[in-house]
Amino acid sequence: QKEVEQNSGPLSVPEGAIASLNCTYSDRGSQSFFWYRQYSGKSPELIMFIYSNGDKEDGRFTAQLNKASQYVSLLIRDSQPSDSATYLCAVNSYGGSQGNLIFGKGTKLSVKP
Amino acid sequence: GAGVSQSPSNKVTEKGKDVELRCDPISGHTALYWYRQSLGQGLEFLIYFQGNSAPDKSGLPSDRFSAERTGGSVSTLTIQRTQQEDSAVYLCASSFSGTSSYEQYFGPGTRLTVT
Repeated sequence: QKEVEQNSGPLSVPEGAIASLNCTYSDRGSQSFFWYRQYSGKSPELIMFIYSNGDKEDGRFTAQLNKASQYVSLLIRDSQPSDSATYLCAVNSYGGSQGNLIFGKGTKLSVKP
Repeated sequence: GAGVSQSPSNKVTEKGKDVELRCDPISGHTALYWYRQSLGQGLEFLIYFQGNSAPDKSGLPSDRFSAERTGGSVSTLTIQRTQQEDSAVYLCASSFSGTSSYEQYFGPGTRLTVT
């Protein structure tokens, strides 16, 4: 059973701090990794994707991938109250082909003003 | 450009009735996916279409669930003889079949309530 694990939270950080969200996955053959943000009552919104080991930065967001440790993380710098949402980690289960995503259950982030 | 659209946005049905949910993917996207999300649960994969290939139906929870995709574009998910446990948000996503683009973009979802 291929699994993606996330701490359910809630993770609470003060405004302006760095929020660190973590995810581990069980399928060593996984190739593609995604972070989605989901506001309450809304559908998931893709915010970051990463395919290679290392860091990938996009604005205030940095995704980090370590395939040897089967670990992917999302850092949010200068956190804002509008970042408060559930963050879903997702992993492609077919090693690079366009198969379905396996999702973690999400980490709820709360940014306090 | 236009994103993934789904209809209806909400559907209330009585137990035992059939329902059809529709998804219109992003123009040019060849891959289409159906997921469902139950209250407090993660996203559960249901079915995946890629171009003209046979769909991957490995996630369908029972034979009451079926889906088709006509003309490589619009897809319909059908649930026959609905049960209360079918109540969930049904999400459709699409992706572009490019050399390195596997990113899936979601529609707004259909909230199904079976009474």
